[in-house]
Amino acid sequence: QSALTQPASVSGSPGQSITISCTGTSSDAGTFMYVSWYQHHPGKAPKVMIYDVSTRPSGVSNRFSGSKSGNTASLTISGLQAEDEAVYYCSSYTGRSTLIFGGGTKLTVL
Amino acid sequence: QVHLVQSGAAVKKPGASVRVSCKVSGYTLSKLSMHWVRQAPGKGLEWMGGFDPEDGETIYAQKFQGRVTMTEDTSTDTAYLELSSLRSEDTAVFYCATGIYYRDNSGYPRGYFDYWGQGTLVSVSS
Repeated sequence: QSALTQPASVSGSPGQSITISCTGTSSDAGTFMYVSWYQHHPGKAPKVMIYDVSTRPSGVSNRFSGSKSGNTASLTISGLQAEDEAVYYCSSYTGRSTLIFGGGTKLTVL
Repeated sequence: QVHLVQSGAAVKKPGASVRVSCKVSGYTLSKLSMHWVRQAPGKGLEWMGGFDPEDGETIYAQKFQGRVTMTEDTSTDTAYLELSSLRSEDTAVFYCATGIYYRDNSGYPRGYFDYWGQGTLVSVSS
């Protein structure tokens, strides 16, 4: 059984940096190799912010960065802005070609 | 630029089936790996399944196997999601999504979704 665990919520003030963690547990050693991060605003479609752990798609602000250490991936947002307030999901394919999402982390910009 | 337009909201009774469509423009559906993701009210994103172009097969999440069917009409570049035996817990916004999908040198799948439909609300209520 594979799972991705995220904190339910994080918060920060404008201009600050925050980090959202995503911890993978799996009996499949290949799971969690290529983590993606999505930003989801209510009523809108999700948007990919990071893929392959740390690659930023064209057009995504360089305030967003990703990393991984062991079985924990992280999304860091620097210089927090009001429009960053959203729910963030990590995701990864498993060795059986299924995709799993983390439970989501609600980011509140104070 | 890939553009995905989904069918409108649907209201269904428990036990019924629903079919959601996803029309592709700006690209050819047969060259895409189309997936479906849903979000129940107050819940997170949940992957339902998608097409694995490496194997030429559609992979379904275990949770939905036996109840879900994903098909494609390449003549109209339209993908379909059908979910049967609906229950109240299936009330959700359903998204089609596509993007990059391939296998690494070890055969491990990798990819992400950079194009999403606008979402279709399916309400299941008696």
